[in-house]
Amino acid sequence: DAGVIQSPRHEVTEMGQEVTLRCKPISGHDYLFWYRQTMMRGLELLIYFNNNVPIDDSGMPEDRFSAKMPNASFSTLKIQPSEPRDSAVYFCASSPRLASPEQYFGPGTRLTVT
Amino acid sequence: AQKITQTQPGMFVQEKEAVTLDCTYDTSDQSYGLFWYKQPSSGEMIFLIYQGSYDEQNATEGRYSLNFQKARKSANLVISASQLGDSAMYFCAMREGGGGTSYGKLTFGQGTILTVHP
Repeated sequence: DAGVIQSPRHEVTEMGQEVTLRCKPISGHDYLFWYRQTMMRGLELLIYFNNNVPIDDSGMPEDRFSAKMPNASFSTLKIQPSEPRDSAVYFCASSPRLASPEQYFGPGTRLTVT
Repeated sequence: AQKITQTQPGMFVQEKEAVTLDCTYDTSDQSYGLFWYKQPSSGEMIFLIYQGSYDEQNATEGRYSLNFQKARKSANLVISASQLGDSAMYFCAMREGGGGTSYGKLTFGQGTILTVHP
């Protein structure tokens, strides 16, 4: 069974451009999580979905960030406009249920905003 | 206040020896879960072990064991018989209970870089 799939793996963009990160969770997993990892702030949860519905977006840094999950097999995280401080590794994770002992992480997208 | 504290930025261990990575946590919930993840230099996050707050036995998974001391709010990871491939960043994380939208969120510590020497 394929794991969590993220694309692109690397993204380099210029400040002010729109960036869209994509995630395909593991089939049958009802929960999807977006994380951001930076040296300064470590690994932090941005938002999570249950059955395609956003449950908690309190970690989304500002209005420039938005996330959607139009169906059970696809989610996007969009940054518009992007800024250099958004440079980070963005992880998507999924789990079959909220009480699951583990979350399955994707390989991450390394975003560089110049 | 930090919910998850990993006080060791870096640790060194000789191959085949055991090593303990420290983790303390802060929560007022009675029901919570504690996790350890490994992040090698390739960047992916690999789940290692889980301990529920009501579990009476310490969790074990192969060479990994979690030394859970509830009264001290510590959840140290013990790696026995270290291997060169264990060199990586290790993260402790907590999922709090209590219901509401915060349930299910993992809060991560800052991580400990483990280097295994041959």
